[in-house]
Amino acid sequence: NAGVTQTPKFQVLKTGQSMTLQCAQDMNHNSMYWYRQDPGMGLRLIYYSASEGTTDKGEVPNGYNVSRLNKREFSLRLESAAPSQTSVYFCASSEFGRVTDTQYFGPGTRLTVL
Amino acid sequence: LAKTTQPISMDSYEGQEVNITCSHNNIATNDYITWYQQFPSQGPRFIIQGYKTKVTNEVASLFIPADRKSSTLSLPRVSLSDTAVYYCLVGLYNQGGKLIFGQGTELSVKP
Repeated sequence: NAGVTQTPKFQVLKTGQSMTLQCAQDMNHNSMYWYRQDPGMGLRLIYYSASEGTTDKGEVPNGYNVSRLNKREFSLRLESAAPSQTSVYFCASSEFGRVTDTQYFGPGTRLTVL
Repeated sequence: LAKTTQPISMDSYEGQEVNITCSHNNIATNDYITWYQQFPSQGPRFIIQGYKTKVTNEVASLFIPADRKSSTLSLPRVSLSDTAVYYCLVGLYNQGGKLIFGQGTELSVKP
């Protein structure tokens, strides 16, 4: 039981390049989330998927797109990376997306955009 | 979503009890109070959640006064491994799991 896994762990991009961050969970959870965390700050919600087939914007969605590929997988795409997107990205999942449901976080992806 | 205010940092020594207070003056009737812990280079981890009075689990206790405008996370007899950032979050029961993480409280436990 791996929980929430993310790939890659580290990535360096040049401005304008694109990439997709992958996230998968094996807990049969319905809801999945993407956050970013900048140095010295809390996490900010980028996008979330309350259930398979649905996605919604969070606090900071600009410059990102997401795909809920199936119940297990939720990917985050940067179409044209910018230095302002240098951050640590965390994926999380919860059983039904209720605030009383624990969110389980992955280990994070450290992204640097030059 | 209710805004929370908590100290930016706290220092403690091993074996002491640590209390971190969070202020949430605009908490709504249906809001729950949740605390997460984050170690360096890791994702946050759920610690405890409560609605009113007191909740205790194997890791911590959460005290919520009757007016619910604040809450206190209590960590008994901390060790060096409790050095982490602690986030207080307040959220509505059925709002799609949107959690707002503030800056958190950076707890440093010294030997």
